[in-house]
Amino acid sequence: AQSVTQLGSHVSVSEGALVLLRCNYSSSVPPYLFWYVQYPNQGLQLLLKYTTGATLVKGINGFEAEFKKSETSFHLTKPSAHMSDAAEYFCAVSAPTGGFKTIFGAGTRLFVKA
Amino acid sequence: DTAVSQTPKYLVTQMGNDKSIKCEQNLGHDTMYWYKQDSKKFLKIMFSYNNKELIINETVPNRFSPKSPDKAHLNLHINSLELGDSAVYFCASSPRQLNTGELFFGEGSRLTVL
Repeated sequence: AQSVTQLGSHVSVSEGALVLLRCNYSSSVPPYLFWYVQYPNQGLQLLLKYTTGATLVKGINGFEAEFKKSETSFHLTKPSAHMSDAAEYFCAVSAPTGGFKTIFGAGTRLFVKA
Repeated sequence: DTAVSQTPKYLVTQMGNDKSIKCEQNLGHDTMYWYKQDSKKFLKIMFSYNNKELIINETVPNRFSPKSPDKAHLNLHINSLELGDSAVYFCASSPRQLNTGELFFGEGSRLTVL
């Protein structure tokens, strides 16, 4: 079975500052990992994903994440926050043994201060 | 042209009523899902269909019944609505050939039970 833990339900940064959203996963088999973003009253949109290969993955809007197997982590970063980054962010994991049942973390709300 | 579309977007109803939410995807995907997002933004998978066949059925009350008339449509019918059913219900689809669990979401249907 897979599970995801997102550390921090709320993160607040200043505009222009580094964004770091933390995600740790648990999986009995090599996982596929995702970050999704949800803007108010909208559905979830894929930011980036790790399946195989390069462990540093780049996504949309300047975000990137690094898969660290030894730390079972997949933290999301962005060098410089923009006001438009304010949203809810979800880390998710899936694996073939789960019938590709994608499991989501509890979400982290990102606030960006001017 | 919306990829995954749900109707209605908002639904307000009384306890005890029966209601349906419809979902259609034009992405040619084989697999469709229903997720429930509660007031704390937690996302929980409910059902998954692959090419009209039920493949994931989480511990959801029998009052919830999904139906997939074809692989592009997945509907959710809820009988005898309860206050606790108030949530945002998201439909999602996934291409089987990607085999990663990556999801494409609709905009959500906000159900309020009074």
